[in-house]
Amino acid sequence: GAGVSQSPSNKVTEKGKDVELRCDPISGHTALYWYRQSLGQGLEFLIYFQGNSAPDKSGLPSDRFSAERTGGSVSTLTIQRTQQEDSAVYLCASSFEARGELFFGEGSRLTVL
Amino acid sequence: GNSVTQMEGPVTLSEEAFLTINCTYTATGYPSLFWYVQYPGEGLQLLLKATKADDKGSNKGFEATYRKETTSFHLEKGSVQVSDSAVYFCALSPTGSSNTGKLIFGQGTTLRVKP
Repeated sequence: GAGVSQSPSNKVTEKGKDVELRCDPISGHTALYWYRQSLGQGLEFLIYFQGNSAPDKSGLPSDRFSAERTGGSVSTLTIQRTQQEDSAVYLCASSFEARGELFFGEGSRLTVL
Repeated sequence: GNSVTQMEGPVTLSEEAFLTINCTYTATGYPSLFWYVQYPGEGLQLLLKATKADDKGSNKGFEATYRKETTSFHLEKGSVQVSDSAVYFCALSPTGSSNTGKLIFGQGTTLRVKP
């Protein structure tokens, strides 16, 4: 596709379950970012991948959150033992290079019951 | 620390009205500043940016000037249209950041334009 693709677009889960959110960046983009948008809040940085460098995980809120990027392309954000406060829209973005414009996907809305 | 504060919404205007959405920031040094827009059902997209003091970013009739003395980056448009209805986010990239991706966002301001 032409843009950043995220799946699922909506996910409802029970507290304590694990969830995986997928991001397929724009082809050729070397940088990939995950952000979280909670109701009434701004976007919160979670993690950043750039090429083969070690990811910047400084924004991950707890050790229940992890992310990987396979083959320098698709990324998966995993939340283990979900809590109600994890409910949010998780946004993925990619850019052609480290200083480039960010292109965002439409997000994955997670609801933890 | 670094932070961005935007005026609270929603902002409701009639078509052709003048728009201002206030944005102020706290940061050390000289961050880069951005406005992103999120139209209904779409992902965020870059609207405009400014990378140094007194720079003016502009796009689609929107403008914002990087004011170091007031630490502000207010978004303005002279005549809004219904199609401008969206959520607008102010953001900064800290000084010395090796990339512009690790952005710090404000909470967003919803704009609704009535016909």
